[in-house]
Amino acid sequence: EAGVAQSPRYKIIEKRQSVAFWCNPISGHATLYWYQQILGQGPKLLIQFQNNGVVDDSQLPKDRFSAERLKGVDSTLKIQPAKLEDSAVYLCASSLGGTGNQPQHFGDGTRLSIL
Amino acid sequence: DAKTTQPPSMDCAEGRAANLPCNHSTISGNEYVYWYRQIHSQGPQYIIHGLKNNETNEMASLIITEDRKSSTLILPHATLRDTAVYYCIVKSGGSNYKLTFGKGTLLTVNP
Repeated sequence: EAGVAQSPRYKIIEKRQSVAFWCNPISGHATLYWYQQILGQGPKLLIQFQNNGVVDDSQLPKDRFSAERLKGVDSTLKIQPAKLEDSAVYLCASSLGGTGNQPQHFGDGTRLSIL
Repeated sequence: DAKTTQPPSMDCAEGRAANLPCNHSTISGNEYVYWYRQIHSQGPQYIIHGLKNNETNEMASLIITEDRKSSTLILPHATLRDTAVYYCIVKSGGSNYKLTFGKGTLLTVNP
């Protein structure tokens, strides 16, 4: 079974530029998550989708971050404009459903560096 | 979600069992205990989870105390590739759940 695919693996941009990350979840997984992991910390949830609907985006900085999952499969996360504090690894995860008994499976993330 | 407490670091000799403890004294009846690990430059890897019974899979065993206030992840024969940060997470069984990661335990397996 193929895992969660993310691209690009690395991205370097200057502050105030925009950037987008792509995620392809495990086939058949209805629930998709985006996490942000700052160096030295555990991942923090940004947004959760159930199919193509948003379940939880309470931690998403909506003034600069946006995410979509138009057809209920792939997802993109965008940052515009980027700030220095956005330097982090952006992780995508998916699970069969959104219940507590369904483990999430993670991709290897996109490492974003802001100059 | 209930908060978890883990030691910041542990060492283990290669080939020996690694026993990673986790305290979750405020856990509720419908909350699962999840374990993930993160090897450098990779995403978190799911290991195992349980509700009240002990669980075993090809990677590890999870022992949950009868009062559910603590648990232990056991890697039966640690290898150098098991060196990673191990996260113990308590998650509710509701329909809108997220993983709240703490700082975890850095397990170093020594040759």
